[in-house]
Order: sequence, then C-alpha cells, then structure tokens
Amino acid sequence: EPEVTQTPSHQVTQMGQEVILRCVPISNHLYFYWYRQILGQKVEFLVSFYNNEISEKSEIFDDQFSVERPDGSNFTLKIRSTKLEDSAMYFCASGASSTEAFFGQGTRLTVV
Amino acid sequence: QKEVEQNSGPLSVPEGAIASLNCTYSDRVSQSFFWYRQYSGKSPELIMSIYSNGDKEDGRFTAQLNKASQYVSLLIRDSQPSDSATYLCAVRRSGGGADGLTFGKGTHLIIQP
Repeated sequence: EPEVTQTPSHQVTQMGQEVILRCVPISNHLYFYWYRQILGQKVEFLVSFYNNEISEKSEIFDDQFSVERPDGSNFTLKIRSTKLEDSAMYFCASGASSTEAFFGQGTRLTVV
Repeated sequence: QKEVEQNSGPLSVPEGAIASLNCTYSDRVSQSFFWYRQYSGKSPELIMSIYSNGDKEDGRFTAQLNKASQYVSLLIRDSQPSDSATYLCAVRRSGGGADGLTFGKGTHLIIQP
C-alpha cells in the first residue's frame, strides 16, 4: 500500500542551526501539507502546497520556515534557525484530492 | 480563532459495546470534517470524512454531523481492543481547496477486554 515517507525519523540539532525535513508524498497526489505536534499537544497545521505554490500557511509558519518541491517527488520543510520551541514531531501529509490527507510517520525534531 | 473541542477522556468502553466520541467546533463556516485515529507515538490515520448533515457509515464506524449545532461525532460499533487509541477530530473551513485542518486535542479511548 502506498504511503508517505519521511526522513529522517529523528533529527537532533543545535539551536540556531538550519534543518531540512524531507518527505516523499504518495505518487500522483497533488496536495501536500506539513503539520507539527509538540509532545502532549494537538496536531497543528503549518502549511499547504498545491500546484507548485503555497496554498495556505498558519501563523506558526513564519519567515523561519520554507517549503520546496524541488524535483516532482520530494517535498521539504526547512527551518532556517531552529529554536528550542521548534522541538516537535513534524508530519508530512498528502492527498489525491482536497478531501483527504494521509500522514507520514513523522520526523521527531529535537533542538538542544 | 478556530477551535475544535473534544473531551480528552479517557473514555473506557467494554469490548463489543458502542463507543461514542464527540467534537464541537467554533467556526460556523466550516465545511469539511474528519476523524483520525492516533496510536501512541504514531502518526494520525484517517478514518473517515463527512461533509453533509446526517450520518455516514463505513464498516464499524459511523460519523454524524450537525452543522446547526456545530457538532460532529464518531460511533464505533462492536468495539475491539485494537480500537484503543486517541481519536482526533479535525475541521476544515472549505469543502475543497488545500487549506489546512484544525485539530482537536483528541479523546483517549480505552476498550476493555
């Protein structure tokens, strides 16, 4: 069964460093999303991407964040200068239509 | 401010019984509603979506939507121990488009064998 693949599964980085989280959405999907979940808290929307551009972004998704779909298969989230409060599980999701969003297994980001 | 409210639980249900999970939302213009299941330490897994008032059934799951009351529920029939998880209600403003989901904190469901 096709699935959304995320790498790495766990990333530890020092505060102020840049990180890139990678995702391979399900083939032929058109809608792509990043969410995050701080430990013990709810899942929070970061950004959606459709037709090669950002469709919507939340107030969390400030200038420190960016997304790219560099080669038609990968979908990346970059955090330019990480803060302690960026520590969370980051989920990539994709959907063939806007009526669905299938989540990857997540990347646990730990900022020290 | 868009809010999705769920009772955090835990909700304890005996095996074989019906589990009833509830969710309310604040944004009256919301059009799309989703239920996800999340096992501890895992990612959310889509169970079903609902867009119109009334009931929608898929196997042992039934989603119910009442837009006038801004209320969504999920019924799980013949509950199994494997249904023990946190159930997340999610809401989206539009019926289509790529806008994001607003999630509730989830209800922790325990099915007692």
